[in-house]
Amino acid sequence: ETGVTQTPRHLVMGMTNKKSLKCEQHLGHNAMYWYKQSAKKPLELMFVYSLEERVENNSVPSRFSPECPNSSHLFLHLHTLQPEDSALYLCASSQDLSGVGYEQFFGPGTRLTVL
Amino acid sequence: QKEVEQDPGPLSVPEGAIVSLNCTYSNSAFQYFMWYRQYSRKGPELLMYTYSSGNKEDGRFTAQVDKSSKYISLFIRDSQPSDSATYLCAMSSGTYKYIFGTGTRLKVLA
Repeated sequence: ETGVTQTPRHLVMGMTNKKSLKCEQHLGHNAMYWYKQSAKKPLELMFVYSLEERVENNSVPSRFSPECPNSSHLFLHLHTLQPEDSALYLCASSQDLSGVGYEQFFGPGTRLTVL
Repeated sequence: QKEVEQDPGPLSVPEGAIVSLNCTYSNSAFQYFMWYRQYSRKGPELLMYTYSSGNKEDGRFTAQVDKSSKYISLFIRDSQPSDSATYLCAMSSGTYKYIFGTGTRLKVLA
């Protein structure tokens, strides 16, 4: 595997379900991100981790819960979602948070549909 | 006013045309400017990365930054049907906080 991988690629869930999205980066990067991409809207930054520590929670509702067990893996735990949470959820990684080498590389995303 | 403005398109051009994609921005602190390409059902892929003003060329792609006008452009020469995608501009003052445009959908017709 190369780059940033995400599983599952598609997920349909009811509002009472609990599910998790998984991201893995094979680039040796120190920082990982969760973004939400909705139709006709700019990418919205949700969470940022650097060396497994959360450095950003961009006013995301508590029904989204991130977890970063090590610098290669990132999870997004989902619970009691709303239909408006349906979107493409993208994971990204970068070498560092700022300065040279902080370009962000994205995974293919998980297309989430909440019924 | 949005921090970054980008025409959503769609923009349709014939194969071989020169394509010009643009973004305007309001925050003069932005120093880093990126262009991503996103194919349908895929994640964004970094195409070009420019620091401060000036031009950068990579094959058929040229990125241009005019900080005095707060305007960035991506030119695609000899466009191909495989260039059909959504192009996202993104910018940053030097941290991980990228501000993205909404994306321009491009269709190159064979």
